[in-house]
Amino acid sequence: QVTLRESGPALVKPTQTLTLTCTFSGFSLTTSGMCVSWIRQPPGKALEWLALIDWDDEEYYSTSLKTRLTISKDTSKNQVVLTMTYMDPLDTATYYCARTSSVKGAVDYWGQGTLVTVSS
Amino acid sequence: DIVMTQSPDSLAVSLGERATINCKSSQSVLFSANDKNYLAWYQQKPGQPPKLLIYWASTRESGVPDRFTGSGSGTDFTLTISSLQAEDVAVYYCQHYYSTPPGTFGQGTKLEIK
Repeated sequence: QVTLRESGPALVKPTQTLTLTCTFSGFSLTTSGMCVSWIRQPPGKALEWLALIDWDDEEYYSTSLKTRLTISKDTSKNQVVLTMTYMDPLDTATYYCARTSSVKGAVDYWGQGTLVTVSS
Repeated sequence: DIVMTQSPDSLAVSLGERATINCKSSQSVLFSANDKNYLAWYQQKPGQPPKLLIYWASTRESGVPDRFTGSGSGTDFTLTISSLQAEDVAVYYCQHYYSTPPGTFGQGTKLEIK
């Protein structure tokens, strides 16, 4: 059974750095074709894809946010970490981690998401 | 980057009637080497993460009712719900995964009961 769970602070101040951790089970990020993405959704708005890391350590970032994002993985802990610098109130959103496999190409499993509010 | 544009932004359909949602990509998401369209559809209900409905533009995810059908190729795609049920009220998103950066979503289409 594949599960993903996001963890991190619920509240961050403007200009601070956000660090989110995705802890997953039921698959390995060392298996060929496996990827984990971060996707966010501001309240009442659309989904926005942020970053992806794959089994081969390749990293991909949203063009508009790539200067602020870093994605990394710890395969021994089955974790993927996203850091986002210079947080702004506009970054207030629910942040999801999600799995993609090359079999389907699409995101087939999602975490429940974690709401991050940026406010002083 | 590939831009995904959905239409309409919202849609109201009577129970039992057909619902059609369109998605257009700014460039083709058809990979000629394997003849696959790198396009997915998701359903999101309030307070829940999205759920995968369709991948490779037309392959239904396991457990998804057969009233959901994905079609199209290249740059133009459609999600059709053949007979709308009350539980289909949701926001629907398309997403491409063709190029880097992968994963751009459309803006969403809100489906309601008329």
